[in-house]
Amino acid sequence: GDSVTQMEGPVTLSEEAFLTINCTYTATGYPSLFWYVQYPGEGLQLLLKATKADDKGSNKGFEATYRKETTSFHLEKGSVQVSDSAVYFCALNYGGSQGNLIFGKGTKLSVKP
Amino acid sequence: EAGVAQSPRYKIIEKRQSVAFWCNPISGHATLYWYQQILGQGPKLLIQFQNNGVVDDSQLPKDRFSAERLKGVDSTLKIQPAKLEDSAVYLCASSFSSGGAFETQYFGPGTRLLVL
Repeated sequence: GDSVTQMEGPVTLSEEAFLTINCTYTATGYPSLFWYVQYPGEGLQLLLKATKADDKGSNKGFEATYRKETTSFHLEKGSVQVSDSAVYFCALNYGGSQGNLIFGKGTKLSVKP
Repeated sequence: EAGVAQSPRYKIIEKRQSVAFWCNPISGHATLYWYQQILGQGPKLLIQFQNNGVVDDSQLPKDRFSAERLKGVDSTLKIQPAKLEDSAVYLCASSFSSGGAFETQYFGPGTRLLVL
């Protein structure tokens, strides 16, 4: 079945460091790909998404590119801030009757000042 | 715009007891999801509704879990009887129309359940 694999956490970075969180997927079709973020004490929020191969999603300085050839959707940010400390989830879905999101296990990011 | 509301936020029960969770989606959202998030894992779908009809309940343990969405708005998820392995965060999410792949799902804050 379809699945999403994320790099193990936790990830600890200093402020202004470069961030990469790896995400790869296994899919029988052509899903849409998402990154969700969960800040401490809050619910899951959509960070960015891409609906087809070679699309780049971006938001709040974060970027991810839908790479069909490597089945990847790695999350990157050039300069992290303390406020980026959160758990990040990579996910996929197909929509319609398969509209449910299939999530990875999440990667916890801690940014130190 | 009000977000997805869930209650209660926390619940502690003993095994074999029953428990119910409530969700109020964003106004006008036709599709509603219940996910279970066990500690250290990503959320997993339990059931998907479109309006008041069930679209997907293939991963719902129907011997103990039930869910309904009366009038296509609020939804209730029930566990009876609860087991230790049901300890998790139960997330409700909603989206505007048919749950298309490009649609954003909006999540509530979740209900954290501990079964002793």
